[in-house]
Amino acid sequence: AQSVTQPDIHITVSEGASLELRCNYSYGATPYLFWYVQSPGQGLQLLLKYFSGDTLVQGIKGFEAEFKRSQSSFNLRKPSVHWSDAAEYFCAVVFMEYGNKLVFGAGTILRVKS
Amino acid sequence: DTGVSQDPRHKITKRGQNVTFRCDPISEHNRLYWYRQTLGQGPEFLTYFQNEAQLEKSRLLSDRFSAERPKGSFSTLEIQRTEQGDSAMYLCASSGQGYEQYFGPGTRLTVT
Repeated sequence: AQSVTQPDIHITVSEGASLELRCNYSYGATPYLFWYVQSPGQGLQLLLKYFSGDTLVQGIKGFEAEFKRSQSSFNLRKPSVHWSDAAEYFCAVVFMEYGNKLVFGAGTILRVKS
Repeated sequence: DTGVSQDPRHKITKRGQNVTFRCDPISEHNRLYWYRQTLGQGPEFLTYFQNEAQLEKSRLLSDRFSAERPKGSFSTLEIQRTEQGDSAMYLCASSGQGYEQYFGPGTRLTVT
């Protein structure tokens, strides 16, 4: 079955430090990859997406992600975290062989300490 | 572009009652999705419409759940005979020609 794994349930980083959130997905010939952010009690905001082309994609709020097909990974990074980045982050994949629906990971809660 | 809106934002109901949620997608988007999110989990797909046609339903969508999109614009999700296990956040998303989905704020359902 199609699945998305976010190995880290919680991550705590200091403000100004760099961040990397991990995401792995089960095999899919044509995955479309996304990162969303969710603040408490809110819906999900799209941070960035990868469909094809350059494997390093830039998103909003200074985030970027790199697609590595050989590792089935799509890790999210930010060079310098701000306190306002504290939220829950979800990796999501559309496995085109199985339709248009998003398959989500369980999420990673980011805490930022000052 | 006013974004995806959902109504109500919160609903508290007693077990056994019926509830209906509404989703208004971004106006030019022809695809509409419903997801359910429980505490500590990522959203799970429930169903998908392209225009007014319901093209896919998850096995999560039991017979007590029904969704409609009568004119290809707004959509409703109805849950009949609610159970405590239905307590969750119900999220609606829409997309246009691309595959990125834009989410509404969600409806939080509490079944007592």
